[in-house]
This record gives sequence, structure tokens and C-alpha cells, in this order.
Amino acid sequence: DTAVSQTPKYLVTQMGNDKSIKCEQNLGHDTMYWYKQDSKKFLKIMFSYNNKELIINETVPNRFSPKSPDKAHLNLHINSLELGDSAVYFCASSQSLQGFTDNSPLHFGNGTRLTVT
Amino acid sequence: SQKIEQNSEALNIQEGKTATLTCNYTNYSPAYLQWYRQDPGRGPVFLLLIRENEKEKRKERLKVTFDTTLKQSLFHITASQPADSATYLCALVNAGNMLTFGGGTRLMVKP
Repeated sequence: DTAVSQTPKYLVTQMGNDKSIKCEQNLGHDTMYWYKQDSKKFLKIMFSYNNKELIINETVPNRFSPKSPDKAHLNLHINSLELGDSAVYFCASSQSLQGFTDNSPLHFGNGTRLTVT
Repeated sequence: SQKIEQNSEALNIQEGKTATLTCNYTNYSPAYLQWYRQDPGRGPVFLLLIRENEKEKRKERLKVTFDTTLKQSLFHITASQPADSATYLCALVNAGNMLTFGGGTRLMVKP
């Protein structure tokens, strides 16, 4: 059973297009996240949702819009894609936002490699 | 500015030896520090968490130390195996519960 699953795994598209990445977790966690991993392998947080409510919104262009229809899903929609958006995007979840314990690490999906041409 | 620094160069060691990876940070006052393992094409997987009041944490062949004076964490893998080859990421949780990652260090264990 995949705990955090995201689709698609690969996404190749042209500049200016709009695309979505879907994420689902079956762990019963309250908090979900989107991270971006660039070519230098740095993982940077983009958004965090707790019980469908936006908690963290880092400095991300407003072309990126997360949507959480329920606490098990956090989708990422990207408008007007640009070359610089090419990266691997990771969805993650954790039991809670307030306080990380041994029982509440981040669980990551396997990433979506987005290539904008 | 806040920084989390891990050696960007790959660490190559012989099977059976102890691998030691370093995570240094500046301008953070982390309440926790976590270590993750990332294999190519996969998401990071949580390994260990150590709190600011803990000096050392162990799990099987893994050991993590946390020195808040030096602002450094060391991650050790004893009796390393080729299967331990991966990228290891440290991540800091600060008072605002934001988890921020270092750039990772790639470990290569040769048979």
C-alpha cells in the first residue's frame, strides 16, 4: 500500500500551459505539504495545509495554487508554466503540524518530475 | 541569513567502515533535527529525529549526535553496506515548526 501517492510521475509540457499534480495520502494524517526539489537537490517547502486549511505559503508565484478537497488530498495546479518551474515536486504528509515527534515525521511521495520546454 | 550546510561532495567509503556525514547550520535555533534518506527517483524517507536536549540518538546501525553549541549534527552509519548508498538529508525544525532541508550528501559504499 502506497502511503503518499502522487500522479503523474513524469510531466513534460510546454511553456504557457496549465497543469495539475495530484496527491493523496492514506495515512489519516492531518497535514499535507508540497515541496520543490531543484537541480541542486535542495528541498524547499511551498505550501502546507492542515485539515484543508492553508497554513504555510512560502514565497511562491501565485501561478501555483494548491487545492485541498479533503484532508487526504492536496493537489497542485500550476498556470502559465515557465522554464524555471522545471523541478521535481514532492507531496508529503505528517500527523500534525504543531510539533514534530518521533511519531510524526514527514512521509513523502515519490515525486513528480516536471519538465517545461 | 539562515543556512543548513551539508557536504555537497559525495562521500565514498569501503564496505564495513563507518560513514560519518555532517550537517552544520547557522542562524537557527532548532527544537529538533531530522535525518532522511533519499534514493534516486524516490521521495525522502525519515530515519531519525533528535531533540535539542538530546546529545545522541541510536537506531540499529545509525547514530545521530546534536551539538547545539557547535551548531552541528553528525550522522553515523556503522558497518556500512552497499545498500546504504543513497543521499542523506538533514532537516531542521525551528520554533515555528517549519521543516527546512539541507542540500544532502551522497554516500557511496563500495563492496
